[in-house]
Formats: sequence, structure tokens, C-alpha cells
Amino acid sequence: ILNVEQSPQSLHVQEGDSTNFTCSFPSSNFYALHWYRWETAKSPEALFVMTLNGDEKKKGRISATLNTKEGYSYLYIKGSQPEDSATYLCASARGGADGLTFGKGTHLIIQP
Amino acid sequence: GAGVSQSPSNKVTEKGKDVELRCDPISGHTALYWYRQSLGQGLEFLIYFQGNSAPDKSGLPSDRFSAERTGGSVSTLTIQRTQQEDSAVYLCASSLLLGRSTDTQYFGPGTRLTVL
Repeated sequence: ILNVEQSPQSLHVQEGDSTNFTCSFPSSNFYALHWYRWETAKSPEALFVMTLNGDEKKKGRISATLNTKEGYSYLYIKGSQPEDSATYLCASARGGADGLTFGKGTHLIIQP
Repeated sequence: GAGVSQSPSNKVTEKGKDVELRCDPISGHTALYWYRQSLGQGLEFLIYFQGNSAPDKSGLPSDRFSAERTGGSVSTLTIQRTQQEDSAVYLCASSLLLGRSTDTQYFGPGTRLTVL
């Protein structure tokens, strides 16, 4: 994996259902993995910063796991609500003073 | 509020004109970053500032792009002789310190640039 890749590109989920999506990133020179939520016409909002292999973070109904050896992270949303509709971005930090390398995002639409 | 602000929120310009985009970071944040998102692409890193200094300009797409930061605060991204491929959402972010990969970058709402 040379770039940060996210799948699926878009996702329609029924309100109340749980869902998850994937971020794959280069496992070499890994320092941190960032998750953001970006709602239309708003600023991207930071969700998690993850660094340790096996790490799991939780914020309300949203949680994320990290596997640095194989280079992937999962984001889970439990009991989806309409306000969860957004684009979810992950980004890899490779250390030093470089900017983040972002994936193209997963566009999540929650259907009432 | 005390978040990152950007102006203008939208900018429509004609090909060949110069544009200037402004970013006001969170007070006290020493690091400032510029990104852009072109249609169908992920966020692309352009440049960062530590204080007023931008040590690495290699991420800027062409020599028509320049950026400066004054007083360790406000930054401007200038695009000269705009081209249609410059159309994108330009995002600014700031973080407390530079060089710490675990520092959260706080983003502004972006400037949507359309070059006709």
C-alpha cells in the first residue's frame, strides 16, 4: 500500500443499523492514524488519533480499531442516526513535520 | 468562536486572474497547514508553517502558488494566473505544535475556488 485507501467510497445505511468501513495505509514509517468526520458546509471534525497496534478508541456510538502491522483501521458506528451522515476521512501521519496523507473518504448516508 | 477561520468562503474567478485566500488559525497554535481537495480526490497536502517559516515548499502544485504567514498568525495562500485545474476546496488547519504526528489538526471550513 503506497497511499491511504478507504472503502467503500459510499454507503447507504438504514437508521438504527450499525455499520463499519475501512482505511488502509502504508505500514512502514507509520506514526499515527487520524480519523475525521466532514459534514457538508462545515469544517472537518477530528474524531480519533491512534498510534498503537491493537488500539481501540470510542466516542459515543463511534469506535475505531488499529492494526499497524498490516496497515488498516476500521471505523464502526453503532445504531446509525441521520446526524451521522457525513464523509469520514482517515489520514496517515508519517512523522516529522509533514502534513497528513488523506484517503478519499467514505461518504455515509443514513436513510430514515 | 475560537476555531480556524478562512475567507472568502467562496471565490469565483476568471482564468488568468490572481486570487488570495486567507486563514486565521487558532490563537496560540504554532503550526499551520494548507490542503486542497480537488473534485473526486482526497485532501492533498500543500505546505506547512512553523511560526512564520515554511521550510518545505515542494508540495505546492506549481510556481504559481505561494504562501506566507506573518506574525505567527494569519496566513495567505496566493495563486497567480489561475487555471481551471486550480478549482478546488482549499482548507487550512492549525495545530499546537509542529512535528508531533499525534497532534490533532483543527480545520477551517475551507474556501471553494472556482476558476471559469
